[in-house]
Amino acid sequence: DTGVSQDPRHKITKRGQNVTFRCDPISEHNRLYWYRQTLGQGPEFLTYFQNEAQLEKSRLLSDRFSAERPKGSFSTLEIQRTEQGDSAMYLCASRGNRGQQAFFGQGTRLTVV
Amino acid sequence: DAKTTQPPSMDCAEGRAANLPCNHSTISGNEYVYWYRQIHSQGPQYIIHGLKNNETNEMASLIITEDRKSSTLILPHATLRDTAVYYCIVRVETGANNLFFGTGTRLTVIP
Repeated sequence: DTGVSQDPRHKITKRGQNVTFRCDPISEHNRLYWYRQTLGQGPEFLTYFQNEAQLEKSRLLSDRFSAERPKGSFSTLEIQRTEQGDSAMYLCASRGNRGQQAFFGQGTRLTVV
Repeated sequence: DAKTTQPPSMDCAEGRAANLPCNHSTISGNEYVYWYRQIHSQGPQYIIHGLKNNETNEMASLIITEDRKSSTLILPHATLRDTAVYYCIVRVETGANNLFFGTGTRLTVIP
């Protein structure tokens, strides 16, 4: 257990539905990252928060993807109008101001049917 | 964005040292070399990082060549639980400090 928790661990949804995932980082970590990982590939960076500010979002895959971190603690990633190509593992990571290593959660596995 | 090259797969006998190579010939002077691993169905796990000196911790050793264009991760006594995908990443320590993963090396430890 790294201290980063993600919920849910698994999500099956029908195409066209909206889904939201939650990430709770390590409590004192001010930096939070979202990644997507498809089968056989390494994690792909999506977006980054420092406290509540979303400082990098150009890598979000389309305008159907959005992320928030309203109070600088937990974060949510929403995918609207899901497509089968959105099926993947969505990973969250957090990092402290002084720490150099990022800690990853176990991920949320999304299956769009 | 991944600036490293790794072999796609390697095998290692249990109890032997596993030596995982990584090429990063375009590394900049302010970029660190990081290693993470990912065991099946889990999130990536930090192993070790370094700038130009060799580093050792309880998990592994990192050997960086003098020109910094390549490095080797050494697991001194591989166990079956070390079977995983190992990612070598270069990262600058400013800004967002994103990790850009490649496809990594799948290490299989054989009994």
